[in-house]
Amino acid sequence: AQSVTQLGSHVSVSEGALVLLRCNYSSSVPPYLFWYVQYPNQGLQLLLKYTSAATLVKGINGFEAEFKKSETSFHLTKPSAHMSDAAEYFCAVSAGNTGNQFYFGTGTSLTVIP
Amino acid sequence: EPEVTQTPSHQVTQMGQEVILRCVPISNHLYFYWYRQILGQKVEFLVSFYNNEISEKSEIFDDQFSVERPDGSNFTLKIRSTKLEDSAMYFCASRDTGGGQPQHFGDGTRLSIL
Repeated sequence: AQSVTQLGSHVSVSEGALVLLRCNYSSSVPPYLFWYVQYPNQGLQLLLKYTSAATLVKGINGFEAEFKKSETSFHLTKPSAHMSDAAEYFCAVSAGNTGNQFYFGTGTSLTVIP
Repeated sequence: EPEVTQTPSHQVTQMGQEVILRCVPISNHLYFYWYRQILGQKVEFLVSFYNNEISEKSEIFDDQFSVERPDGSNFTLKIRSTKLEDSAMYFCASRDTGGGQPQHFGDGTRLSIL
């Protein structure tokens, strides 16, 4: 079985500061991990994915995430926050078998303070 | 870039009425999904669909729900007799074959049950 825990339902950072959004996963098989972003009144947009290749994954909009098996973590980071990064961020895990559902975390709402 | 499209963007229905939510997945994708997101809560899996049949469903997806791919392009979710607690954002997603492929989400249909 798979599950995701996102610590911190709300994160506030100043513009230009480091963004760190936490995601820990549980999986009985090697996981595939994803980060999605949701802007108000929009769907989920893929930021990046981990599929057992490089452990440091770069995504769109300057975001990256590092897969750490020993910590069962897949935290999302961005060196310098921009006002446009304000959104809801969801971590998701999949067993990876084609057709398998995604299990989403509860989401983290990111606020960027000017 | 190909997109998943959902219609309508907002559906208001009286309790007890049937509702059909429509989705057009990305054309070469073979795996289709419905998720829902109750306001302020996480994205929850409802059902996955492949090769014209349901491959997985959650406990939420009870006998009131059904899915169909009527014409090779549309993918629909029907709720036979809506309840107040069905009010949520419903997302359709599709994915390509192969392990680790991300799901691509539509912008959602906001269903409001009165």
